Amino acid sequence: QSVLTQAPSASGTPGQRVTISCSGTSSNIGRYTVNWYQQLPGTAPKLLISSNNQRPSGVPDRFSGSKSGASASLAISGLQSEDEADYYCAAWDDTLNGPVFGGGTKLTVL
Amino acid sequence: QVQLQESGPGLVRPSETLSLNCAVSGGSISSNNWWSWFRQPPGKGLEWIGEMYHSGTTNYNPSLKSRVTMSVDKSKNQFSLKLKSVTDADTAVYYCARPFGGAAFDIWGQGTMVTVSA
Repeated sequence: QSVLTQAPSASGTPGQRVTISCSGTSSNIGRYTVNWYQQLPGTAPKLLISSNNQRPSGVPDRFSGSKSGASASLAISGLQSEDEADYYCAAWDDTLNGPVFGGGTKLTVL
Repeated sequence: QVQLQESGPGLVRPSETLSLNCAVSGGSISSNNWWSWFRQPPGKGLEWIGEMYHSGTTNYNPSLKSRVTMSVDKSKNQFSLKLKSVTDADTAVYYCARPFGGAAFDIWGQGTMVTVSA
């Protein structure tokens, strides 16, 4: 069971806007910044959003992140077929004294 | 451009020790604060195993702490993971990664699948 909570699945059609949510507690998201990872099948996770809403170089601006209290969201606008992947949220956790992850949301582009 | 590459046996017998290396290329292992290990069981999410500073200081996930040892070899520019007394539950893809702050890991190895089986 993951420390951070994500819905197991989400879907959308090309061009649509999709939001993936992540909830935590005061020991993780409520206290630290949130990061989002994209994992394509058979590949390593790729950092998509850092520090709640910062896109690393090369990440399209279709991807955006936000945080409020102990919850966070990843929004993908102008959905494309290549966005079909697993998405994980992550934050530092005081109890673990390390990073904790959500269980992942599998995004399907219909 | 720093790159990471995991290496090690793909099959480990139950009760034995899993040993993996992570080679750092394109940069010095001493140039970053911490280096981390993760694992991902088939079809499941990511689990942090632990991290180590290039000086040798370590920080392990409490759930694995009694079985984990991490070390660094500066002469080879690589760091290592040892997990003892493995069981089926340790079957996973193992990744090494470089953090740049908190839970943000910007560079990952490609991952190596380790199966625990007799």
